[in-house]
Amino acid sequence: GAVVSQHPSRVICKSGTSVKIECRSLDFQATTMFWYRQFPKKSLMLMATSNEGSKATYEQGVEKDKFLINHASLTLSTLTVTSAHPEDSSFYICSVDPGESSYNEQFFGPGTRLTVL
Amino acid sequence: GQNIDQPTEMTATEGAIVQINCTYQTSGFNGLFWYQQHAGEAPTFLSYNVLDGLEEKGRFSSFLSRSKGYSYLLLKELQMKDSASYLCAASDSNYQLIWGAGTKLIIKP
Repeated sequence: GAVVSQHPSRVICKSGTSVKIECRSLDFQATTMFWYRQFPKKSLMLMATSNEGSKATYEQGVEKDKFLINHASLTLSTLTVTSAHPEDSSFYICSVDPGESSYNEQFFGPGTRLTVL
Repeated sequence: GQNIDQPTEMTATEGAIVQINCTYQTSGFNGLFWYQQHAGEAPTFLSYNVLDGLEEKGRFSSFLSRSKGYSYLLLKELQMKDSASYLCAASDSNYQLIWGAGTKLIIKP
């Protein structure tokens, strides 16, 4: 399996500020990482696919200018929530697919709980 | 459209057996995943089925019927630590995971 870390685990910020969340693949080089958002008692929603060295692929309805993704290296992808608002409060999780299995098993980071006041 | 349905919440007794059902509709199909998610934590992989039938892995088993668009996760000899949400996810033709909202399983002593 793959070991994935996220930082920070929790963040509280004021409305209008920007928050950066880091996702690191600790034991393998990830050309692709996935960013999800999960509201309480709701399913995981894929926000975007982060591609090393190129632009991220965003899902329909996800604002590219609000959720900035940078995948500058094979072990790090960052998600920046710009001008955060209370409705952005959610659980943000990243995942990687190391390609070890034939069925695209994803390994998840521990998640980041964002609360916007 | 693509859709995953699973019960919102289930309750079971320690030591008993529980079956969590999942139905799916996707554009193409490349397998069905079950993940366990404890509150405030990331999901962890439990099982994967792509062919019809039952896959057994210790106390957990997963079943798939492709013709019916149906899967279930069977948990035996329930332990208190099994209290968690169980997420069903189907892989579509693009290998993108379509997630269910999860079934919160409550284990009572």
